[in-house]
Amino acid sequence: EVQLLESGGGLVQPGGSLRLSCAASGFTFSIYTMSWVRQAPGKGLEWVSAISGRGGSTDYADPVKGRFTISRDNSKNTLYLQMNSLRAEDTAIYYCARRRDGYKDIWGQGTMVTVSS
Amino acid sequence: DIVMTQTPLSSPVTLGQPASISCRSSQSLVHSDGNTYLSWLQQRPGQPPRLLIYKISNRFSGVPDRFSGSGAGTDFTLKISRVEAEDVGVYYCMQGTQFPHTFGQGTKLEIK
Repeated sequence: EVQLLESGGGLVQPGGSLRLSCAASGFTFSIYTMSWVRQAPGKGLEWVSAISGRGGSTDYADPVKGRFTISRDNSKNTLYLQMNSLRAEDTAIYYCARRRDGYKDIWGQGTMVTVSS
Repeated sequence: DIVMTQTPLSSPVTLGQPASISCRSSQSLVHSDGNTYLSWLQQRPGQPPRLLIYKISNRFSGVPDRFSGSGAGTDFTLKISRVEAEDVGVYYCMQGTQFPHTFGQGTKLEIK
């Protein structure tokens, strides 16, 4: 079964850091571009970042550029999102998603990140 | 960035009746490769998003055929031929033609 499972969310103080993980199974992880998408409480979906299959190309949304770093370990079938200098407005559920041809076909269950003092 | 605008934002529907959601993009979604990367996602309450339709009109695996997508250029529509109780949730259009990929605001489908 094709599956994505996020972990690493939690409560963190403003200015703090957190690393999210997304474990993939059921498909050849290394050939797919992977994305992070977030959803603030009661709000819509916002694309955050993406990384190519081999990890050589990355993209970030403007609100997180310079603070977040996306990476992957294809030997472990795992995607990461290192989040530094966290702000209250980063509070959201973070989903990882597999990208195919301009659409996102597989989504994880999400992990909640709360930035609050 | 391409702005995606959905209408309506809320849609009360009677069970068994059709429903329709519109999505308009601020610029054409036709990619240089000739494809139009417009997709539709469903998010049931408390669940992650789920892909329904990709490249305007292609149903994703396991999606019931009461869901259909249409449109071209900047105007797109998701139709549900006969709404069932399990269709309650929020529907999003998404463009994957140009970075950053962007979503519509969401349309909440509820039962009257």
